[in-house]
Amino acid sequence: AQTVTQSQPEMSVQEAETVTLSCTYDTSESDYYLFWYKQPPSRQMILVIRQEAYKQQNATENRFSVNFQKAAKSFSLKISDSQLGDAAMYFCAYRSKSFGNEKLTFGTGTRLTIIP
Amino acid sequence: EAQVTQNPRYLITVTGKKLTVTCSQNMNHEYMSWYRQDPGLGLRQIYYSMNVEVTDKGDVPEGYKVSRKEKRNFPLILESPSPNQTSLYFCASSFYTGGRAEAFFGQGTRLTVV
Repeated sequence: AQTVTQSQPEMSVQEAETVTLSCTYDTSESDYYLFWYKQPPSRQMILVIRQEAYKQQNATENRFSVNFQKAAKSFSLKISDSQLGDAAMYFCAYRSKSFGNEKLTFGTGTRLTIIP
Repeated sequence: EAQVTQNPRYLITVTGKKLTVTCSQNMNHEYMSWYRQDPGLGLRQIYYSMNVEVTDKGDVPEGYKVSRKEKRNFPLILESPSPNQTSLYFCASSFYTGGRAEAFFGQGTRLTVV
């Protein structure tokens, strides 16, 4: 079974600075999806960024980028120019590409605080 | 607008009183799932469905039932709720085709069982 570990329960960053949230995972599969989700106080789960394992290029979405290290099974999220609206709980998630395996496996989350 | 709609958003009930949380999606997705979110545990899958009349257990299915009679609806049933089922629940629908993958989540249902 796959597992996802987020070792930082809480992080804080000054507004306009850069912060990196870490995520490691364990799997025996060679192809899969990885995701970062944002959960603001509204509780809504918002997809921030996705990565396919077979793509070596790191995914980017505006101020959000990932550092995907497949051999190390690491998938960190970098947020540049942090804004107050980035304050939220962030979840890393894994999804197999195997047919019939309809499950997102989540980490325990990192609560990000933005300091004005 | 593409969305997943859960109802109710908040629910307080008593131990043993059957309840249903509804979930509906308007994106014609085949895959739907239920998750529960607990502090320090992240989200864990309860049940999932790959199509109409096809459902299977996730990681924490005990005490829950689901059904998928129509493609758009996937209700979660707690026939005899207990306090350990107090949690935040999410319904999700998803697609995975052509290299693209995304799950859409409902707004969440905060359930308290007393």
